[in-house]
Amino acid sequence: SQTIHQWPATLVQPVGSPLSLECTVEGTSNPNLYWYRQAAGRGLQLLFYSVGIGQISSEVPQNLSASRPQDRQFILSSKKLLLSDSGFYLCAWSEGNNSPLHFGNGTRLTVT
Amino acid sequence: SQQGEEDPQALSIQEGENATMNCSYKTSINNLQWYRQNSGRGLVHLILIRSNEREKHSGRLRVTLDTSKKSSSLLITASRAADTASYFCATHTDRGSTLGRLYFGRGTQLTVWP
Repeated sequence: SQTIHQWPATLVQPVGSPLSLECTVEGTSNPNLYWYRQAAGRGLQLLFYSVGIGQISSEVPQNLSASRPQDRQFILSSKKLLLSDSGFYLCAWSEGNNSPLHFGNGTRLTVT
Repeated sequence: SQQGEEDPQALSIQEGENATMNCSYKTSINNLQWYRQNSGRGLVHLILIRSNEREKHSGRLRVTLDTSKKSSSLLITASRAADTASYFCATHTDRGSTLGRLYFGRGTQLTVWP
């Protein structure tokens, strides 16, 4: 069966520090991969979307970047965090276009 | 950008009652999906309805889709305290540069009192 791992679960980082969140999927190949951010009490904002290795689409210009160095690995990064980067970050995968998404348990990021 | 908007933002009912949540969206879609999120957790997929379908059932869940009105509803029958969660609608667009991306609404917070 397929599983998705996302870590860390919580993270507290000072403003200006770098960020690296990692997400890996097991039990499937060539998944679509997604990074979403959820502000407190709000909906999910799509940040990045990938259909294959090295293929990243950015939804919103911002302080973050994403990379897909391997088929089932998706990394969210920042060189310098801002206070506004605080939020709940969720990684997800799907089998292809128009399929349901399967989410990780999320990373709670607090930038101080 | 977000495609869907749920209504109401919050809903509070007693166990055994039915809960109805609505979703409106803006553009042409391939399908609409409903997800559930327990506090502080990832989202769990509940049900998917395609643009050529009008109604779908899964256990105590009933979803309707009206593409002419760009709206959907999620009905949870005979609700239980364990149904307490946030519920989100999400849409897959069917064309253009955003093909394959899933856009979520802001969600409805459902509270079911025992």
